[in-house]
Amino acid sequence: EVQLAESGGGLVQPGGSLRLSCEASGFTFSTYWMHWVRQAPGKGLVWVSRLNDDGSKTNYADSVKGRFTISRDNAKNTLYLQMNNLRAEDTAVYYCVRDSGVTNTWFDYWGQGILVTVSS
Amino acid sequence: SYELTQPPSLSVSPGQTARITCSGDVLSKQYASWYQQKPGQAPVLMIYKDTERPAGIPERFSGSSSGSAVTLTISGVQAEDEADYYCQTPDTSGIVLFGGGTKVTVL
Repeated sequence: EVQLAESGGGLVQPGGSLRLSCEASGFTFSTYWMHWVRQAPGKGLVWVSRLNDDGSKTNYADSVKGRFTISRDNAKNTLYLQMNNLRAEDTAVYYCVRDSGVTNTWFDYWGQGILVTVSS
Repeated sequence: SYELTQPPSLSVSPGQTARITCSGDVLSKQYASWYQQKPGQAPVLMIYKDTERPAGIPERFSGSSSGSAVTLTISGVQAEDEADYYCQTPDTSGIVLFGGGTKVTVL
């Protein structure tokens, strides 16, 4: 059974940092592109970042570029999101998602989500 | 930059057909997917590659595409279909787009 389990969320002050982790199981993690998607309270889904299977190619939403870094450790089946210089508008539930597409992108498995709250 | 546009809400009676359209220029170049999200839960993939239905998704959910728009159709709506629905597609530069979401209310 495919499982994605996020951890590392919590309350952080504006300007602070946080690292999210996503432990994957039930599939060959090293062969899938992975993404982070977030959802602010009461708002819609917003894509944050993606990373290819071997960790060599990244893309970021403009809103987080230069502040967030996506990475992975295929030996540990774990995806990361390092979030620096956090702002109030980064407050959201963050989902780790698996990209099942080859020539296109669709998300067939989602984690349960982890809440990040940026507030003083 | 590309955008995806969905109606914010839709109301439908049980047993009727609900159609949610997502429009955007990028949809003439890329496949789209649809997700269902119920309160307090993670989204669930309902349709991918415009028309494909993952295993376990009821047949009353179907997708179609025409030009710069895609449509999610729910035939014979049931009370359990009340949820938010999002369209999604990658653009041509590696960025992933979501529509703003459509809240479907079953009357």
